[in-house]
Amino acid sequence: AQKVTQAQTEISVVEKEDVTLDCVYETRDTTYYLFWYKQPPSGELVFLIRRNSFDEQNEISGRYSWNFQKSTSSFNFTITASQVVDSAVYFCALLAAGNKLTFGGGTRVLVKP
Amino acid sequence: SAVISQKPSRDICQRGTSLTIQCQVDSQVTMMFWYRQQPGQSLTLIATANQGSEATYESGFVIDKFPISRPNLTFSTLTVSNMSPEDSSIYLCSVVQAVAGYEQYFGPGTRLTVT
Repeated sequence: AQKVTQAQTEISVVEKEDVTLDCVYETRDTTYYLFWYKQPPSGELVFLIRRNSFDEQNEISGRYSWNFQKSTSSFNFTITASQVVDSAVYFCALLAAGNKLTFGGGTRVLVKP
Repeated sequence: SAVISQKPSRDICQRGTSLTIQCQVDSQVTMMFWYRQQPGQSLTLIATANQGSEATYESGFVIDKFPISRPNLTFSTLTVSNMSPEDSSIYLCSVVQAVAGYEQYFGPGTRLTVT
């Protein structure tokens, strides 16, 4: 069975601070994908990144960066120099055998001006 | 990436009635799914919409309550039947494009309130 844990339910920061969102996953499959999605207050789910289990390279996209550590089953997400527009709920998700996404509980990020 | 639209975007319905939600994609996709997001919660998969055959439901969801159709590769509907206030949620259509790896996208959602 697949499981995704986002231990932080809510994080509050002041603008320009960095914020790191933790994601820990469980799966017995050797081939899997990990995702991060952003859900702003408007409700739509925005795809941020996909990483497959064979690619442990960290990735940076603008102010976003992701740290994939297979040894600790973690796929953490960092927002550098946060902005008010980053306020949203962020979901980590796992796709393994069966082609079904398993979502974590989500982390609400509140960036205060 | 696929562009997904859902209708209606939101609705307020009376207890005991049914609502059909439509999902339209601008290109043919490999797989389509329906998810539910209850207030303040994460997303839960309701079912996989199979083209030309019955949907595959997850544990806890049944066809009588959530009938799904997928007549072609770009369109699907989800009906929420005999609604109760517990059905108040956001319902999201999701599609997979298996090109250059596996990418899964979500529609804008349908915000349903049952009174």
